[in-house]
Amino acid sequence: GAVVSQHPSRVICKSGTSVKIECRSLDFQATTMFWYRQFPKKSLMLMATSNEGSKATYEQGVEKDKFLINHASLTLSTLTVTSAHPEDSSFYICSARVITSGRNEQFFGPGTRLTVL
Amino acid sequence: AQKITQTQPGMFVQEKEAVTLDCTYDTSDPSYGLFWYKQPSSGEMIFLIYQGSYDQQNATEGRYSLNFQKARKSANLVISASQLGDSAMYFCAMRLTGNQFYFGTGTSLTVIP
Repeated sequence: GAVVSQHPSRVICKSGTSVKIECRSLDFQATTMFWYRQFPKKSLMLMATSNEGSKATYEQGVEKDKFLINHASLTLSTLTVTSAHPEDSSFYICSARVITSGRNEQFFGPGTRLTVL
Repeated sequence: AQKITQTQPGMFVQEKEAVTLDCTYDTSDPSYGLFWYKQPSSGEMIFLIYQGSYDQQNATEGRYSLNFQKARKSANLVISASQLGDSAMYFCAMRLTGNQFYFGTGTSLTVIP
């Protein structure tokens, strides 16, 4: 099946620094990638929808200047948490959507654990 | 190797009937957690139910129950008394001790009036 990878799997950074998380579709091209933030045992909050070659669509309440999303190619989307603060500590998951022959499938990355000190 | 398998890409159920969405998993870790999420067309992933690998009883949350069969490595979601608003994509997921998540490919549920 299709594989989505995320790098790094976990990162610890100091408050005020920026962190970049990569989401790659390894064996397919994804026109759309989604970024989620997860809280323990709770829902995955959709942060933004990233379309290749265009600006990301952010969900209400998500600061676009703080969470920079770039979808430069059909296999790579990046999420940069700028000027990170401890409250940004969370688990971030990406997914990639593939639409082929009328089938709409979504594949998830393994997630990135961000800890801001 | 696929860690989570959902074999039903699409399911239909009559309103007010019960439906079971299948999920099997594969891990050698003794400790893991199993989740079910509902994804409406908005894209949000709504947490439905959680089952820990050491939990003795099957998890239940309102109309949702998880049929956990550890020996068979299955964690099927049962939705009772289906409602039209239940129409959505449903994802089964597993979290291992390293906090890595593995998601299934999802099941599209359509509730018929």
